[in-house]
Amino acid sequence: AQSVSQHNHHVILSEAASLELGCNYSYGGTVNLFWYVQYPGQHLQLLLKYFSGDPLVKGIKGFEAEFIKSKFSFNLRKPSVQWSDTAEYFCAAHSSGGYQKVTFGTGTKLQVIP
Amino acid sequence: EAQVTQNPRYLITVTGKKLTVTCSQNMNHEYMSWYRQDPGLGLRQIYYSMNVEVTDKGDVPEGYKVSRKEKRNFPLILESPSPNQTSLYFCASRASGGRELFFGEGSRLTVL
Repeated sequence: AQSVSQHNHHVILSEAASLELGCNYSYGGTVNLFWYVQYPGQHLQLLLKYFSGDPLVKGIKGFEAEFIKSKFSFNLRKPSVQWSDTAEYFCAAHSSGGYQKVTFGTGTKLQVIP
Repeated sequence: EAQVTQNPRYLITVTGKKLTVTCSQNMNHEYMSWYRQDPGLGLRQIYYSMNVEVTDKGDVPEGYKVSRKEKRNFPLILESPSPNQTSLYFCASRASGGRELFFGEGSRLTVL
């Protein structure tokens, strides 16, 4: 069955610390991968996406993610977090062909301490 | 402005009182979907629709109904709400062949 796993449920960092959030997926065939962010009290917004090509994807607000096919991973990174990055982050995936059901991970809450 | 609009944003109701959460998108998207978000469980799909008059169950459809009579609207119906349906609900849409989901602002429902 298709699944997306996020192993970090709650992460607390100080401002300027580096961030890496893990995401592993279980899909057969070609997969499209996403990171969405949900700021407190808001809806989900797309942070970045990977379909094909360069496995290092850059998104908004200095975030990037690396697709490593051999590890079935799509980890999110940011070299220096800010207080405004406090949010919940969701990894998501869907197959690239046919009906594209999106599967979400359970989310990681990031708290950045000033 | 391209958007997905949900109403109401907040609702407190009682067990058994039928309610409808509306969802409307102005992007002419074919695909629409409802999710519920619960702590520790992430987003789980309730129902989805590939186009007008085409709907199907997601992962957690029990206790919900949907309809898709028009392309822009995809209401979520709770015929007889129960406390375990207390949750944060999101509507989302996507263009045919598109890959990114566009989400509404969310509707926080409390069933007493």
